[in-house]
Amino acid sequence: KAGVTQTPRYLIKTRGQQVTLSCSPISGHRSVSWYQQTPGQGLQFLFEYFSETQRNKGNFPGRFSGRQFSNSRSEMNVSTLELGDSALYLCASSLRGGVNEKLFFGSGTQLSVL
Amino acid sequence: AQKITQTQPGMFVQEKEAVTLDCTYDTSDPSYGLFWYKQPSSGEMIFLIYQGSYDQQNATEGRYSLNFQKARKSANLVISASQLGDSAMYFCAMREGPGNFNKFYFGSGTKLNVKP
Repeated sequence: KAGVTQTPRYLIKTRGQQVTLSCSPISGHRSVSWYQQTPGQGLQFLFEYFSETQRNKGNFPGRFSGRQFSNSRSEMNVSTLELGDSALYLCASSLRGGVNEKLFFGSGTQLSVL
Repeated sequence: AQKITQTQPGMFVQEKEAVTLDCTYDTSDPSYGLFWYKQPSSGEMIFLIYQGSYDQQNATEGRYSLNFQKARKSANLVISASQLGDSAMYFCAMREGPGNFNKFYFGSGTKLNVKP
């Protein structure tokens, strides 16, 4: 079974630009969540999608958005990039998001904003 | 208050020895799950072990065991017989209640170095 796939692996953008990151969950997994990892703030929850609906959101500005498609694949978008958006963005999937379900993570997209 | 606290930024352990990584958590929800993940330099988060708040026994997964002390709100990871490949960042995480789905809280991590 293929794992969680994130593309691209690396991205370099400049301030003010926008970026779209992609995530394909494990086959059969309907919950996809996104996390931002930085040296200063650690791992922080961005949002979660289930059956094409956002059902949970972290404390990030509206510049961060996402969506999920009918095949459970998900994208996240960051508009008007700021230097502080430089981070490793991790996507994770699970079957439904039940209490005892573990998250399966992708290798992440390393975003650098110059 | 921090939901997950890991007080050891870095640790060294000799190969083949056991090591304990500390984790304390803060929640008022009676139903929660505690997880440990390993993150090698490649970046991918690898699941190690899970403990549910209602589980009576400490969880074990091969060389990994979780020392769960509910009254103290601690969930320490014990790695027995350390191997060089265990060198990585280790994160403790918590999911609260059934309604939070996949909103996890992570600690700041512990960098483990295994010495030959």
